[in-house]
Amino acid sequence: ETGVTQSPTHLIKTRGQQVTLRCSSQSGHNTVSWYQQALGQGPQFIFQYYREEENGRGNFPPRFSGLQFPNYSSELNVNALELDDSALYLCASSLGRGTGSLSGNTIYFGEGSWLTVV
Amino acid sequence: AQSVAQPEDQVNVAEGNPLTVKCTYSVSGNPYLFWYVQYPNRGLQFLLKYITGDNLVKGSYGFEAEFNKSQTSFHLKKPSALVSDSALYFCAVAKYNFNKFYFGSGTKLNVKP
Repeated sequence: ETGVTQSPTHLIKTRGQQVTLRCSSQSGHNTVSWYQQALGQGPQFIFQYYREEENGRGNFPPRFSGLQFPNYSSELNVNALELDDSALYLCASSLGRGTGSLSGNTIYFGEGSWLTVV
Repeated sequence: AQSVAQPEDQVNVAEGNPLTVKCTYSVSGNPYLFWYVQYPNRGLQFLLKYITGDNLVKGSYGFEAEFNKSQTSFHLKKPSALVSDSALYFCAVAKYNFNKFYFGSGTKLNVKP
């Protein structure tokens, strides 16, 4: 158990719809990162939030957006869903900004949310 | 640009034999290197990391990895494989003050009884 919880675990959406995925970070962690893992591939960085502000973004279009709340939980929103958005979405929780104070075992991943777009 | 390569999609090994899962990286500056394991339909579990110091890093479940700067490699090893080690293994690199991991494409480890 990493203390990082994601919901929902599985969902099916229709192309063009919108989806919101949620992540509760581990207690005390103020940084949340989101990754997309397509089938058969490694996770790809979407964006990171540190103390409620975006702290870096990967190569994803603007229809991928996020929020971080005062309790450091986070949401990933995807608008205008496309078939290629079907993937496992992983949330990672950590303490501190960037990797300057990084020690890998403080970066905890949730179990992920499986999104299928039909 | 930062990148990670895992040249083997799959590694097969008999239980009790040593295993190696390969990883090479490309990053400007000093790298932070990690190995994660993913069991079916699960998230990523941390195995070990290299930040600085001793090139041989020991991690969870008897795994270890050796950082080789000249070969830009960070291969994962275990002296004696278990059937329960069968899973998907990901190598990842992060750059100091960079805020994200770059993951490899993963290597499926099959340990046969």
